[in-house]
Amino acid sequence: ETGVTQSPTHLIKTRGQQVTLRCSSQSGHNTVSWYQQALGQGPQFIFQYYREEENGRGNFPPRFSGLQFPNYSSELNVNALELDDSALYLCASSQKTSGNYEQFFGPGTRLTVL
Amino acid sequence: GQSLEQPSEVTAVEGAIVQINCTYQTSGFYGLSWYQQHDGGAPTFLSYNALDGLEETGRFSSFLSRSDSYGYLLLQELQMKDSASYFCAGETAGAGSYQLTFGKGTKLSVIP
Repeated sequence: ETGVTQSPTHLIKTRGQQVTLRCSSQSGHNTVSWYQQALGQGPQFIFQYYREEENGRGNFPPRFSGLQFPNYSSELNVNALELDDSALYLCASSQKTSGNYEQFFGPGTRLTVL
Repeated sequence: GQSLEQPSEVTAVEGAIVQINCTYQTSGFYGLSWYQQHDGGAPTFLSYNALDGLEETGRFSSFLSRSDSYGYLLLQELQMKDSASYFCAGETAGAGSYQLTFGKGTKLSVIP
């Protein structure tokens, strides 16, 4: 059983640029959630994808967008990067049955915006 | 909105017991999860309570009181490797979606 993987591990961008982060979900999982974790803070929910559709969104602007593919892997896209977007971006997969409380996290992508 | 409050730091001695509290204010509350995150690592699931009461998983136990909007994580027989950040996360349900809202985390330091 393969765990959740994310790429790249680290990324440096400049303000105004666009970035795409990738996530492969754990085998058998059909739901992917994305989180932003600033240093010393808890993960903040960005959005969730279930069967290729957005299935819930946190308090993030539209320049944060995503995709989920038929194999349940997912992308997070961020346009017009701002300095405050510097954070660890985590994706988590789960099998949506009666709840989503147990999520399996990937190692994250550390994004630095200069 | 959703908010969960937990202490920012706790220090405990190896072999002892420590309790990490979490109070929450969430609409559509469904249950409370706990996650552990070592420095530089990914959060890993520890425990979940949907009903009032105590859930035990080895050295870890978690408690929920829905009437008090309160829960805690209890770690027994502390080991040095338990030094990590611990997050409570409220599960909320709405419009067919189950989401987790995390607290800011409690940094646990286990000392010899």
